Amino acid sequence: AQSVTQLDSHVSVSEGTPVLLRCNYSSSYSPSLFWYVQHPNKGLQLLLKYTSAATLVKGINGFEAEFKKSETSFHLTKPSAHMSDAAEYFCVVSDIRDDKIIFGKGTRLHILP
Amino acid sequence: DTGVSQNPRHKITKRGQNVTFRCDPISEHNRLYWYRQTLGQGPEFLTYFQNEAQLEKSRLLSDRFSAERPKGSFSTLEIQRTEQGDSAMYLCASSTRWGAGQKSDEQYFGPGTRLTVT
Repeated sequence: AQSVTQLDSHVSVSEGTPVLLRCNYSSSYSPSLFWYVQHPNKGLQLLLKYTSAATLVKGINGFEAEFKKSETSFHLTKPSAHMSDAAEYFCVVSDIRDDKIIFGKGTRLHILP
Repeated sequence: DTGVSQNPRHKITKRGQNVTFRCDPISEHNRLYWYRQTLGQGPEFLTYFQNEAQLEKSRLLSDRFSAERPKGSFSTLEIQRTEQGDSAMYLCASSTRWGAGQKSDEQYFGPGTRLTVT
């Protein structure tokens, strides 16, 4: 069975400092992994995806994530936070065999001026 | 606009009433998904379609819930005899999948329908 754990429900960083949002997954097969962002009163937007190509994945708005199979992790990073990054971030795992899509509970990112 | 659209955006209903939501996916997408999201939680999978076939239903989808995608294009989600616990944001997403054993492409989400049951 698949599962995804977002290790922090809230993360606060100062503008201009690095962002790290942590995600660990469990999958019995080769997973696809995604990060989505949800701004207040807006729909979910895909930031980036991993589907078994390069383990370092670049997404929109300067975000990156690295797939580490040995650590079963897919952490999201950004070198320098911007005020507009304040939002809810969801890590998602999808298993090709049973086609289930599982969302994490989300991490709310706060940007301090 | 070629994105996923959902109607209505907001629905307030009294307990016991029936409600129906509509989702129009991106036209070339053959998969359509429904999710429910409550405050402070991530979206929870409800059901999905490949073309007109409903392939899986979550156990969250009680017998009061029914979803259809009659022509493989738009989909409707109906909730009968609504309860206060049904209050949530209902999200629709679409994606493409071209054959067995192939990984799904990413899902594109609509803005959601916020249901409030009083």
